[in-house]
Amino acid sequence: QVQLQESGPGLVKPSGTLSLNCAVAGASISSRNWWSWVRQPPGEGLEWIGEIYHTGSTNYNPSLESRVTISIDKSKNYFSLKLTSVTAADTAVYYCAREAGGGWDIFDYWGQGALVTVSS
Amino acid sequence: SSELTQDPAVSVALGQTVRITCQGDSLRSYYASWYQQKPGQAPVLVFYSETNRPSGIPDRFSASSSGNTASLTITGAQAEDEADYYCNSRDSSGDHPIYVFGPGTKVSVL
Repeated sequence: QVQLQESGPGLVKPSGTLSLNCAVAGASISSRNWWSWVRQPPGEGLEWIGEIYHTGSTNYNPSLESRVTISIDKSKNYFSLKLTSVTAADTAVYYCAREAGGGWDIFDYWGQGALVTVSS
Repeated sequence: SSELTQDPAVSVALGQTVRITCQGDSLRSYYASWYQQKPGQAPVLVFYSETNRPSGIPDRFSASSSGNTASLTITGAQAEDEADYYCNSRDSSGDHPIYVFGPGTKVSVL
């Protein structure tokens, strides 16, 4: 069973950098899957942030691209999210998710989510 | 990039049928996938590519699409189906492929 677990600070100061890790268990992060980050502000809908492949290839949401970096650590089987210059609008539950692969553009496994609050 | 639109909310009587729709240009090129989200929980994939229901999802969930519109139908809605439902698809209209989510439809089972 594939399991994903987000971790990182739950509170970030405005203008600071949000950093989260997603630990993957039950699957290799070097498999033929893309790995994504999705966020959800309180009471709002889902927003896709970006994705990474084990080769290091990435795609980002154009609305966040200038502030986002997603990286991967194959030795530790996790991937990471960094979001710079954060504001209160970046307060959200951040989910990591696995894309199913095999040509299917779907998220088949999700982490439980991590709430990150941007506040001084 | 293109957007996906959904009705904000729908209600259905217990045991009746409800259809949730999703519209967007990306759906002319890519299949929609559908996610159910209950309060405080992560989204769960309930249907994808018109014919695929993940293991463990009841067969009262089905989907279809035509042109730029995708639909998720719950036939014989149960109380546990009350949730937010999000459609999602790939979008390659920009410089590189991305994903887009619809704004979500809140389904209330009366």
